[in-house]
Amino acid sequence: AQSVTQLGSHVSVSEGALVLLRCNYSSSVPPYLFWYVQYPNQGLQLLLKYTTGATLVKGINGFEAEFKKSETSFHLTKPSAHMSDAAEYFCAVSSLGSQGNLIFGKGTKLSVKP
Amino acid sequence: EAGVAQSPRYKIIEKRQSVAFWCNPISGHATLYWYQQILGQGPKLLIQFQNNGVVDDSQLPKDRFSAERLKGVDSTLKIQPAKLEDSAVYLCATRTPRRGRGQYFGPGTRLTVT
Repeated sequence: AQSVTQLGSHVSVSEGALVLLRCNYSSSVPPYLFWYVQYPNQGLQLLLKYTTGATLVKGINGFEAEFKKSETSFHLTKPSAHMSDAAEYFCAVSSLGSQGNLIFGKGTKLSVKP
Repeated sequence: EAGVAQSPRYKIIEKRQSVAFWCNPISGHATLYWYQQILGQGPKLLIQFQNNGVVDDSQLPKDRFSAERLKGVDSTLKIQPAKLEDSAVYLCATRTPRRGRGQYFGPGTRLTVT
């Protein structure tokens, strides 16, 4: 069975500081990994995804994530936080054999202080 | 390209009443999902359609929830009768035929059961 654990339900950073949102997954087969962002009263928007190939994945809005198989991690980072990054972020896992079904973590709410 | 459309955006009902949600997917997306997102949690899959057929409804509370996608395009999700614990955001998502592409989400319907 697949699962996702997001460490920290709430992360607060200052504007311009590094953003690090942690995600660990459990999967018995090679995973597909995703990060989604959800702004208030909106649906989820895909930030980036890892399927195969390069383990460092770049997404929209300056975010990137690195797939580390040995650590079963897929942490999301951004070098410099912007006020507009304040939102909730969800990590999700899927697999080739799961018909594209996504298993989501509980989410991390990112606050950005001026 | 138009996104996933959902209506209504907000709905308030009393317990034991009925409610229906509507989803119009992105054109050409054969796979459609309904998720339930309870406050403070990640989305949880309720049902998955491939065209007009059900692929996975293992987590759908079938005693009160039903969903259909008669012509393989639009879909409706119904709750009858509603319970207080059904208060949540109901998200519709669709996916292209190619695996690993992630899902595209609609804005959701926020249901409050009083």
